[in-house]
Amino acid sequence: SQTIHQWPATLVQPVGSPLSLECTVEGTSNPNLYWYRQAAGRGLQLLFYSVGIGQISSEVPQNLSASRPQDRQFILSSKKLLLSDSGFYLCAWDRSGGNTIYFGEGSWLTVV
Amino acid sequence: KQEVTQIPAALSVPEGENLVLNCSFTDSAIYNLQWFRQDPGKGLTSLLLIQSSQREQTSGRLNASLDKSSGRSTLYIAASQPGDSATYLCAASAGGTSYGKLTFGQGTILTVHP
Repeated sequence: SQTIHQWPATLVQPVGSPLSLECTVEGTSNPNLYWYRQAAGRGLQLLFYSVGIGQISSEVPQNLSASRPQDRQFILSSKKLLLSDSGFYLCAWDRSGGNTIYFGEGSWLTVV
Repeated sequence: KQEVTQIPAALSVPEGENLVLNCSFTDSAIYNLQWFRQDPGKGLTSLLLIQSSQREQTSGRLNASLDKSSGRSTLYIAASQPGDSATYLCAASAGGTSYGKLTFGQGTILTVHP
């Protein structure tokens, strides 16, 4: 069966510090991968998606970047965090041509 | 640009009541519409997915309908239970090469009290 892992689950970082959130998928190959953010008082917003290794599409301008160094690994990064980067970050995957999307358990980021 | 709106923002009902959650979307050219459940501080669990060619889907006590022409979907929960308490999100997919590119509503926070 397929599983998706995200870590860390909770993170408190000072403004200006770097960020790295990691997501891995097991039990499938060549998944589409997604990073979503849920900020306080706002709905889930798609940040990045990837259809293959090294292929990253950004949906909204922001202080973050994403990378896909391996087929089932998706990383969300920042060189210098802003207060507005605080939120709940969710990684997700689905199959090309498939209908069902699977979400990870999420990572809580608080920038102080 | 697709926009998804959910009404009401919050709902509190006694156990056993039947209830309806509403979702509207501005662009009717959707590939599918999904309903998710989110427990506090957790990820999302898919409840029901309706293809654009379908009118409704059912799973247990849940029934979701889709009316593309009016840009609306409803989630009907029968005989609500305290365990149904959660945030319910609807999301529209435009399809294409990545079906997981979803536009979400803000969610309806449901509380079912004993």
